[in-house]
Amino acid sequence: KNQVEQSPQSLIILEGKNCTLQCNYTVSPFSNLRWYKQDTGRGPVSLTIMTFSENTKSNGRYTATLDADTKQSSLHITASQLSDSASYICVVSAGNTGFQKLVFGTGTRLLVSP
Amino acid sequence: DAMVIQNPRYQVTQFGKPVTLSCSQTLNHNVMYWYQQKSSQAPKLLFHYYDKDFNNEADTPDNFQSRRPNTSFCFLDIRSPGLGDAAMYLCATSRALAAPKNTDTQYFGPGTRLTVL
Repeated sequence: KNQVEQSPQSLIILEGKNCTLQCNYTVSPFSNLRWYKQDTGRGPVSLTIMTFSENTKSNGRYTATLDADTKQSSLHITASQLSDSASYICVVSAGNTGFQKLVFGTGTRLLVSP
Repeated sequence: DAMVIQNPRYQVTQFGKPVTLSCSQTLNHNVMYWYQQKSSQAPKLLFHYYDKDFNNEADTPDNFQSRRPNTSFCFLDIRSPGLGDAAMYLCATSRALAAPKNTDTQYFGPGTRLTVL
């Protein structure tokens, strides 16, 4: 069964600190892995997309890593800001041809405290 | 500039009273999706359109229907809302059905929060 598990479920950090969110997946056949940021009451916004051959991708203060062998990904947030408070969702795309099915994790809820 | 627009942002309906949620896009994308997201849960795909080709997920209840009159607009109809249908409904678009290794981003709208009384 295709699954995406994220940890921790929730996290509180002080403004200015770094943090790392984890994602483990069992999705086959793997196509790509995406990290989304979802503010409360809003739709998800794409942060990064990585294919099988990519180990790391950055988007400003966000850096995602992918280890396709261990089926793990992480999202590192540097110098956190209050506006980083949101849910971060790991999404793995399954399928080699035709329609790719997105398998969503349940997210990590991050709260950045002043 | 908003690329995927959903109206209304908040919708209140009565148990059993039909309701329609609207989504429009300015991206000219081929594919439009409807997701249901309940509190603290991952979004759940209900169905998607590839152009006019409708694709229903196997576990989507018959209570949920969709229409796509043109490229820009897509509607979600809930024929007889139940209390369990209260959720955030997300519309998303992407450029095409993903070919191998396709990394086209899905662009999400802000969502419509549905309350069923």
